[in-house]
Amino acid sequence: ETGVTQTPRHLVMGMTNKKSLKCEQHLGHNAMYWYKQSAKKPLELMFVYNFKEQTENNSVPSRFSPECPNSSHLFLHLHTLQPEDSALYLCASSQALVSDRSTDTQYFGPGTRLTVL
Amino acid sequence: GQQVMQIPQYQHVQEGEDFTTYCNSSTTLSNIQWYKQRPGGHPVFLIQLVKSGEVKKQKRLTFQFGEAKKNSSLHITATQTTDVGTYFCAGYGWSGGSNYKLTFGKGTLLTVNP
Repeated sequence: ETGVTQTPRHLVMGMTNKKSLKCEQHLGHNAMYWYKQSAKKPLELMFVYNFKEQTENNSVPSRFSPECPNSSHLFLHLHTLQPEDSALYLCASSQALVSDRSTDTQYFGPGTRLTVL
Repeated sequence: GQQVMQIPQYQHVQEGEDFTTYCNSSTTLSNIQWYKQRPGGHPVFLIQLVKSGEVKKQKRLTFQFGEAKKNSSLHITATQTTDVGTYFCAGYGWSGGSNYKLTFGKGTLLTVNP
């Protein structure tokens, strides 16, 4: 599947580094998501963007900073992370969050495996 | 807010045995979706149920949506080693104001002993 791509696929960084994760979708969707998946908490929603506007921030620490310049691209900027932030970061997209008639079927990218040393 | 509970958290079966995972929502849903994540992979959409009492089948997989549209189940008949993975349900419903959202359950990890 190449509808949603993520780069890099693997990232190792120190706690003082600054890095960015990139997500791109080629499905013509208008909603994009960041999820964190770790062994302890299987799938945690972090941020939601609907038509480039952030509609949800699930109490995510400020060391994670999302950016959505357009409906096809989503970034997650990382700085001064902690070892417990090591996880698989998944990006997803869906048509749009508009009403109860939407389906919001989500298409996931392959994820970025992040290790914080 | 909307909560989606899924049980069991883990299930280990012998190849050929049946498997069922259950999903319950705290609120009435517009639809429920099921995803499968293979080990080392990412969640992949399997199916969506919309109507009250709906039942859909995909080969050995049977999906049900409850009459009240608050619960769902996934049943696999005669499991195979290729069924290994984590199965997530996700409920789409009203989350307040004019907002709708998809809420994932914690998933059921299925392992199959050949």
